Formats: sequence, structure tokens, C-alpha cells
Amino acid sequence: DGGITQSPKYLFRKEGQNVTLSCEQNLNHDAMYWYRQDPGQGLRLIYYSQIVNDFQKGDIAEGYSVSREKKESFPLTVTSAQKNPTAFYLCASSIRDRANNEQFFGPGTRLTVL
Amino acid sequence: AQSVTQPDIHITVSEGASLELRCNYSYGATPYLFWYVQSPGQGLQLLLKYFSGDTLVQGIKGFEAEFKRSQSSFNLRKPSVHWSDAAEYFCAVGGGSQGNLIFGKGTKLSVKP
Repeated sequence: DGGITQSPKYLFRKEGQNVTLSCEQNLNHDAMYWYRQDPGQGLRLIYYSQIVNDFQKGDIAEGYSVSREKKESFPLTVTSAQKNPTAFYLCASSIRDRANNEQFFGPGTRLTVL
Repeated sequence: AQSVTQPDIHITVSEGASLELRCNYSYGATPYLFWYVQSPGQGLQLLLKYFSGDTLVQGIKGFEAEFKRSQSSFNLRKPSVHWSDAAEYFCAVGGGSQGNLIFGKGTKLSVKP
């Protein structure tokens, strides 16, 4: 089955640690996205990538970093510079980064800072 | 700038009753509109989408939505709600400056037995 996988489902981080969230898709999609979800806030864009080896900052990129070395993979690193990282993180992909392209979502990773 | 407003944070309906979730958008051109549903702790699933043509769009799970350009609205409806419809619903518009979707803040639906 084609789809998007995210791991781990739950992640706990100590203060000052960097952690990396995995996102893999086998849909052969070019565009991939990372969103952050907080209660009552909807989804906010962190980073997005249109093609391999290229990515752009979204609305709330500070304290996060990404890489896109393979078409299938778009990992997100939450750095110690992110002051309030506790949230639900969603990865998505689409065929192209066009306005009419449906985005497909992974199941999410819940990150908690201890 | 594009934006989406979902005026209702939380709605409770009785099982079997009809449902309408409101969505208003702000977009300069012809909008591409989406409704997604999210069960607790899960990702988002597409219910339906509107690009052009017939303004009444049918989706999965018995949902439909009507695009009204004059009101800048894209309300989601279901004639008879089932307990399994309890979830959070997000309206989104395509065409964000970064190629992303612009989401509303969501409406949480509770279903009374």
C-alpha cells in the first residue's frame, strides 16, 4: 500500500537535546511538508521541499532543520533552539506544490519535552 | 493573504441529526478548497475537494460541501451524523505562498447518543 509513514509515534525529549522525526513516503510525490499542530491552532507550516536537495522555510521554521537527500524521505530535526517544541508534528506530501494538489498526511508524531 | 476561518470551535450534535460545519475563506483568485477530518492522535484524511465546476461536491463517508463564491464559504454537511463521525474537521484553501495549504483552526465535533 502506498502512503506516508512517520516514526516514532511518540517521542520524549529532554531540555537541550536535538531530536529527529522521520517521514517516509512511497507515493512518488515530489513535494513534502512538515506541519506543527497545537490545540486550537490548526496546522502551521514549518518547512517544505519541492525537489530533492532543495527546501524552504515555512511560517515557523526557527528552531527546526530539515534535509531532503532522497525523494522518499524528509526528516525533521527539532533543535535545542526551539523553545516550545511540545506539539503534534505532521508530515505531508503532494505530487507537486501546486494550489490544487491534494496533500496526503502521515499519522503524526507527538513530541513531548520532559 | 489567503486565510480560512472556521467560526465554530466545538459543535455537539445528536446521532442521526444533520450537521453543517462552517468555513469561510479569503482568496484573491478561484480557490481550491478542501475538507479534512482528523481522529484523535491521527493524521488528516481528505473528505472532499473543490477545484471548479459543480458547486456541490460529494465526498467520502456521506459528506458533501457547497461552494458559494458570493459568501466566500465552503460549508460541510451531512444529513445524518453517526457516532463514528466524532472527530476534528479542518477546512483548507490551496495556494499558499509556499505551495502549501492554508488551514482553518478546526472544528471539533462531538456526537451525543
